[in-house]
Amino acid sequence: NAGVTQTPKFRILKIGQSMTLQCTQDMNHNYMYWYRQDPGMGLKLIYYSVGAGITDKGEVPNGYNVSRSTTEDFPLRLELAAPSQTSVYFCASTLQARTDTQYFGPGTRLTVL
Amino acid sequence: EDQVTQSPEALRLQEGESSSLNCSYTVSGLRGLFWYRQDPGKGPEFLFTLYSAGEEKEKERLKATLTKKESFLHITAPKPEDSATYLCAVPKTGANNLFFGTGTRLTVIP
Repeated sequence: NAGVTQTPKFRILKIGQSMTLQCTQDMNHNYMYWYRQDPGMGLKLIYYSVGAGITDKGEVPNGYNVSRSTTEDFPLRLELAAPSQTSVYFCASTLQARTDTQYFGPGTRLTVL
Repeated sequence: EDQVTQSPEALRLQEGESSSLNCSYTVSGLRGLFWYRQDPGKGPEFLFTLYSAGEEKEKERLKATLTKKESFLHITAPKPEDSATYLCAVPKTGANNLFFGTGTRLTVIP
């Protein structure tokens, strides 16, 4: 099992550019999450999905979009990148939302200049 | 409103100097408290889940305990490889996700 994989590991964007952060899990988990982590701010939930075709907003969804066409994949789309989106992004998955362990990917470090 | 507060923000210990990290929480009906370890440049790695007051779990030099208001992560005779940020999290009330604290950054000096 590879667990949760994310690509790319690092990326530099210019203001106004767009990109997609990829996330794949091979544990057949229904629930998947996207977090951003800023220094001293903890993990903030951007979007989550409870299964293929179902997504919902988290605490900080503005400027992002997601889709979930398969159980395995949960890409995060940044449209019109802004400096405020400079952060480290983590994808996570779990079998049951409230009581099961979330497994995290290695993260994507994004810088918007 | 759900709250998770971790203290201290940062902790420096000499190798072998035992100490405790605190996670206090406010949620409606606790359905578990999670401890994670995060190394620089990596994703959080699961350590423990505690479900009820009085429960304790151990792993090597780490022991997690839970009361009705807080959890402690006790580190006994730490080694430099225990240096990391330790995060705690609770299931967010009425939601399908975890609410994370801001973490304690532990540095163990040889």
